[in-house]
Amino acid sequence: EAQVTQNPRYLITVTGKKLTVTCSQNMNHEYMSWYRQDPGLGLRQIYYSMNVEVTDKGDVPEGYKVSRKEKRNFPLILESPSPNQTSLYFCASSQPYGRNTEAFFGQGTRLTVV
Amino acid sequence: SQELEQSPQSLIVQEGKNLTINCTSSKTLYGLYWYKQKYGEGLIFLMMLQKGGEEKSHEKITAKLDEKKQQSSLHITASQPSHAGIYLCGADMLGGSQGNLIFGKGTKLSVKP
Repeated sequence: EAQVTQNPRYLITVTGKKLTVTCSQNMNHEYMSWYRQDPGLGLRQIYYSMNVEVTDKGDVPEGYKVSRKEKRNFPLILESPSPNQTSLYFCASSQPYGRNTEAFFGQGTRLTVV
Repeated sequence: SQELEQSPQSLIVQEGKNLTINCTSSKTLYGLYWYKQKYGEGLIFLMMLQKGGEEKSHEKITAKLDEKKQQSSLHITASQPSHAGIYLCGADMLGGSQGNLIFGKGTKLSVKP
């Protein structure tokens, strides 16, 4: 089954404690991206990757890091989480434009930073 | 500023009624995608529109991209409680790929039985 898997689904952590949210896709997609969703602000892109070792900033990259060492995985790293990073996070993967396919989204990771 | 404006922000309709959600951009859209989201869950792809004037339907949901490719509408016919959720439009503004989607803030739809 084609899917994007995020872990964990729920996470409560303390300010400053480094954490990683994993994202894995089994569709051999080239494109992967991370979004955060906040009430009143909608979905905002954090980082995206067009292929292995190619990443770029989205609209709200501050406080986040990503890596793309292999095609299937695209972890999101919060080196020093702060309460304003409390949010619902989504990972997505897709093929490049023109191949007429949709973006597949993970089920989301609800992060609370206290 | 928000590049994609959705309207209305929220909508409550009686079961069986028709409704329309709009997504407007100030820039040309290279691709327009409609997703549905149940609260707190992942996004479910509905349909993608690429050409001006294109119209697609899936069950009771129809989406259209206008000729100038700057607005899309999503129309639900004879709404049902299963249609309730948040509808999001996403757009490729750069002519790149879905890796660069920008989303509207969403339209929350409630359907009263």
